[in-house]
Amino acid sequence: GDQVEQSPSALSLHEGTDSALRCNFTTTMRSVQWFRQNSRGSLISLFYLASGTKENGRLKSAFDSKERRYSTLHIRDAQLEDSGTYFCAAASFSKLVFGQGTSLSVVP
Amino acid sequence: GPKVLQIPSHQIIDMGQMVTLNCDPVSNHLYFYWYKQILGQQMEFLVNFYNGKVMEKSKLFKDQFSVERPDGSYFTLKIQPTALEDSAVYFCASSLKLGVSAETLYFGSGTRLTVL
Repeated sequence: GDQVEQSPSALSLHEGTDSALRCNFTTTMRSVQWFRQNSRGSLISLFYLASGTKENGRLKSAFDSKERRYSTLHIRDAQLEDSGTYFCAAASFSKLVFGQGTSLSVVP
Repeated sequence: GPKVLQIPSHQIIDMGQMVTLNCDPVSNHLYFYWYKQILGQQMEFLVNFYNGKVMEKSKLFKDQFSVERPDGSYFTLKIQPTALEDSAVYFCASSLKLGVSAETLYFGSGTRLTVL
């Protein structure tokens, strides 16, 4: 079936640094959604993209519009409150297929 | 923004009992979903539902599982009987259209089910 491969599985960043998370899809996907799951387990939707890029504050996401087989999430100037697990989810026709998640820890 | 509410937030039951998880989706949404997340692992699709019918279900949606939304009330996931491996957090989601590529899915905050 459709697979979403997310990397890295875990990441530790110092405050103020930048990094990027990536999702690869085994097949062409129509769109991608990025989430952060906080320590209480709540899913917070960060971005929905059908193409191109979107930016919100220190977060920016891109979806490869040409082949539609990968997406990235860039974190700029990481802050302690960015810690959590980040999931990408790609849309097949009738459902979202989630990646395995990236556990992000931002340290002082 | 639009909210999906899940009740209860935590449920503890004995193995073999029946449990019903309730979801109050976004008011004008027509498509409903359940996902399962075992602690620390990824979100796994269980089922989607529209117009009173299951449209698609995964291998995780065992025969003991059922879903319904009687008369536009809660969208429910019932497990009867429960097994130890059913312990997980169950997330409900809803969308206005099918073809989730067209828009975002809105997720509830999950119900943590513990089967003893």
